[in-house]
Amino acid sequence: GQQVQQSPASLVLQEGENAELQCNFSSTATRLQWFYQRPGGSLVSLLSNPSGTKHTGRLTSTTVTKERRGSLHISSSQITDSGTYLCAMGGANTGKLTFGHGTILRVHP
Amino acid sequence: DMKVTQMPRYLIKRMGENVLLECGQDMSHETMYWYRQDPGLGLQLIYISYDVDSNSEGDIPKGYRVSRKKREHFSLILDSAKTNQTSVYFCASSLSTALWEVFFGKGTRLTVV
Repeated sequence: GQQVQQSPASLVLQEGENAELQCNFSSTATRLQWFYQRPGGSLVSLLSNPSGTKHTGRLTSTTVTKERRGSLHISSSQITDSGTYLCAMGGANTGKLTFGHGTILRVHP
Repeated sequence: DMKVTQMPRYLIKRMGENVLLECGQDMSHETMYWYRQDPGLGLQLIYISYDVDSNSEGDIPKGYRVSRKKREHFSLILDSAKTNQTSVYFCASSLSTALWEVFFGKGTRLTVV
């Protein structure tokens, strides 16, 4: 079945540093979506883009579908960015979203 | 305000009891999902629904069934709950199965004792 690999598994930053999160998937995706989750919380949609680059605030998502990879760039990290970032890919024709195991981000003052 | 609503938020059931988890969305989305999330396993798809009475198994459907009689409502049923079904269950929806964003509810924490 479809597989989604995220790296790194965890990341520690000082406030103000940038973060680059990676997502690799095993089959052709028609959709790549990034989510944010606090411990015990729900999933908050950050960005969704099937290909190319998309920005919102301090977040930039880049998806290269033919290379089966995506990335999420967080600029000028803040303490409130701490949490888990999940990448999910949607397969062609099924609508099913397959999730990676996430990157745990901790931002320290 | 677009949202996916799950009820109840917390539930404790005894092994062998039946469990009903409810999910609603106010966005007229065609596609709805049920996932469970467990430490170390991540989010796993249980069922996907493409519209009313059009449901498809996900990756871990065993022990679960679903019902979708109205577009805005999607239920997850556990007949005779087992302790290994203790988990956090998330419902989600999207406009369609194509390129649209998926929105998640706040989750139901189910404990089967």
